[in-house]
This record gives sequence, C-alpha cells and structure tokens, in this order.
Amino acid sequence: DTGVSQDPRHKITKRGQNVTFRCDPISEHNRLYWYRQTLGQGPEFLTYFQNEAQLEKSRLLSDRFSAERPKGSFSTLEIQRTEQGDSAMYLCASREANTEAFFGQGTRLTVV
Amino acid sequence: SQKIEQNSEALNIQEGKTATLTCNYTNYSPAYLQWYRQDPGRGPVFLLLIRENEKEKRKERLKVTFDTTLKQSLFHITASQPADSATYLCANLHAGNNRKLIWGLGTSLAVNP
Repeated sequence: DTGVSQDPRHKITKRGQNVTFRCDPISEHNRLYWYRQTLGQGPEFLTYFQNEAQLEKSRLLSDRFSAERPKGSFSTLEIQRTEQGDSAMYLCASREANTEAFFGQGTRLTVV
Repeated sequence: SQKIEQNSEALNIQEGKTATLTCNYTNYSPAYLQWYRQDPGRGPVFLLLIRENEKEKRKERLKVTFDTTLKQSLFHITASQPADSATYLCANLHAGNNRKLIWGLGTSLAVNP
C-alpha cells in the first residue's frame, strides 16, 4: 500500500454537470476525511467517516454534495449541478486512532 | 470558536539559515499540534506531531516546540535548503468524537540559494 490514492487528479466540467471523485485510503485506516482547499487557504473540512458510518458533514456543505463509504474502504464524493464556486482542490485523508492524517494528492476541480 | 493562526506573510531566508514559523491557537487547549508541508498542487504531507506534555520534538533538521502558556508552537528548519521551499501548515485535531483537523492558512517559505 503506497498511501492514499485519489482519482481523478484533475477534472474540468461544465457548470450544471455532476461529478464524482474517488478516494482509496490506506487499507488499515478506519477514519476517512474529505477536505476542500482553495488557493491561499488551509484545507476546509467537508465530511468524516469512521468505517462506513458518516459521522459528520460540514454545515457549509450544500445538499448538492454527498459522500459515501459503502464498505468502509474506498469513498466517493459527488457534487451535483456544479457551480463555478465549487472549483477547488478536493483532498482525502485517512488515519488510525490517535495518529496523524495521511493525505492523497487531491483532485483539482475546475468548473467552467 | 477554535482557531489557529499562522503568519500570512511569506518568509524569505538565505540557504543555510534557520527558518522559524509560528502557529498560535485561541479559544481552546489542543491535546497536540501537527505540522504539515504542502507543495503547489499537492496534498499536505505530515512532518511532526507534538503533544501538550512535550516541550520539544525533533526530526532530522526539523524541530517543533509547544508552549501551552503562550498558546504557541514554533517550527524550525535548521540548515535550510532551497528544497525546503513550500507552504507549511499547522493543524490541530478538533476536540470531539470526529477529530477533524482544524488548519491554519499556512506560511509560505522560500529558501534562496
């Protein structure tokens, strides 16, 4: 296992289209996080899974965003009816209890 | 609300000097702080973690201190190299069950040859 993997690395989509991103965490990590980051800002928390349970979703997230982790392994983040303001880097991280988080390389979304 | 603050101004230093970055926190007492490095277009990479009962932690040319009285952590890179140029982020685990990371905005470091 070489670390957290995200796919795709880059996504360009037209406004109004739906997009889905995938994250494969480090295999023994039961905690998984999604963050969003824009230029010059620190990562912004989106949602958190422990195993397959989604334990928290940011209040900043609209109903257009949904995330799943069906078997407690990989996770998907879907954005419906994309808007230009959704353009950002979407980061996935995983960790075990009481350890540091390991991040993937991110998916850069551009909405045109 | 819990907040982490880092120097927003970029830090420019000469190769070989020691770089010192600051992380201040307010409105809470974190159990530990983490430092990450981020290069443009890439995800953050973990560097060091320091717990509240630790004054100092070292790893190769890196050193982190934690002063709970000042509510501050300092991150030092000794004998800096141009390859150390990146953005350095300070983060803390939010108190609570989900333990999400609360981040500073990061400080950009440029090491000039």
